[in-house]
This record gives sequence, structure tokens and C-alpha cells, in this order.
Amino acid sequence: EDKVVQSPLSLVVHEGDTVTLNCSYEVTNFRSLLWYKQEKKAPTFLFMLTSSGIEKKSGRLSSILDKKELFSILNITATQTGDSAVYLCAVEVSGTYKYIFGTGTRLKVLA
Amino acid sequence: DADVTQTPRNRITKTGKRIMLECSQTKGHDRMYWYRQDPGLGLRLIYYSFDVKDINKGEISDGYSVSRQAQAKFSLSLESAIPNQTALYFCATSGTAYGYTFGSGTRLTVV
Repeated sequence: EDKVVQSPLSLVVHEGDTVTLNCSYEVTNFRSLLWYKQEKKAPTFLFMLTSSGIEKKSGRLSSILDKKELFSILNITATQTGDSAVYLCAVEVSGTYKYIFGTGTRLKVLA
Repeated sequence: DADVTQTPRNRITKTGKRIMLECSQTKGHDRMYWYRQDPGLGLRLIYYSFDVKDINKGEISDGYSVSRQAQAKFSLSLESAIPNQTALYFCATSGTAYGYTFGSGTRLTVV
């Protein structure tokens, strides 16, 4: 059975800290991995990863994929209260056009 | 206007009632999806459609039905709502890249 597991489930840090969120997966035929940020309601797109070892970066956020070990990490440096959200990882199984989601990591950044 | 619009935003209904959640999109995407989100369980796929004549069950389709009225419209029905269908429901569309575009969600409570 295809599955995506995120850890930790929740995390509380202080502003300025650096956090690393993890996503591991087991799918029959991997195509891509996506990271989303969910604040109030709709998840918003952060990164799409398809190749191992190539870091994607956007401001203080970065992500990398390891297709050999079947995981991805999302790093947030110098966290701010506005980073408080649920971070979702999703994996697309090739040929299906569907994404399997992890349960998410709830990040709370304290001022 | 939002790319993916869901109505209603919030709904409270009684057990046994039929309810329809609507989704419309202006992205021009062929692929549309319905997910539900429950605390601790992440996003789970209910139904998906790759064009007007192509409807497919997801992992948790029991108790739900869908209708793809046009390329831009995809509605989800609960034929006889039950309390464990209380959840946050998302409609999403998908084009060729960058995963899903989500609607803002419908918070459904079945009492």
C-alpha cells in the first residue's frame, strides 16, 4: 500500500529557530513530491521535487529529495510567527495523476 | 475571483439529510478531485475526475457520490449524511505541473 509519513506530528519553536520537517514515502512508482503550507484553510504550494539531491529554495524555506532513501526534508531557517501552519507532504504515483498526502506537521512559532 | 471556488464555506446539517457541496474552477483544468481532511488523518481522496465522462472512486468513496456537470464544475453529494462525515472538504484541480490548486474548503458538520 502506498503511504506517506511525516514527522514530527507537531513542533513548537521560538522565533529565530531553524526547523527541519521530514517526509518519508513508500509508493509503487514515484513521480514527484510536493510540499504545501496550510494556514487557515486551503493548502498553498511551496515546492515540487522530482530529482534527488537538488535543493529547491524560496527565501528562508528550502527542500531536498533523496530518492534512494525515499524521503524529503523541508527546512525553515530564522522562523517567524507567520511560519506557524500545518505543512503537508504529498507524493504523486506515476501515471495516476493523484497525490497521496501525509498527515502533516503542525508547526507553532512563538514570539 | 478565486481559481477554485467551493460553496458553501460552512454547513451544519442533520443526520440523514442529503447535502451537496459544489466546486467550480476557472483554471481550465481537466482533472478535478474531492478530498476530506480530518485531524490526524491528513487529506484523503474521495472521488476524482479526469474529464466530464471519467469519474473514479478514491480511497474513501462510500457514502458519497459526485457529478461532473461540465469541465469547470464538480459537485460532491452526501446521500444520507452521518456524523462521521463531519470534516473539512476540499476540491482541487490539477493541470500539467505544480500539483493541485485547492479551493478554500467547506467545513461540514453533521449533527
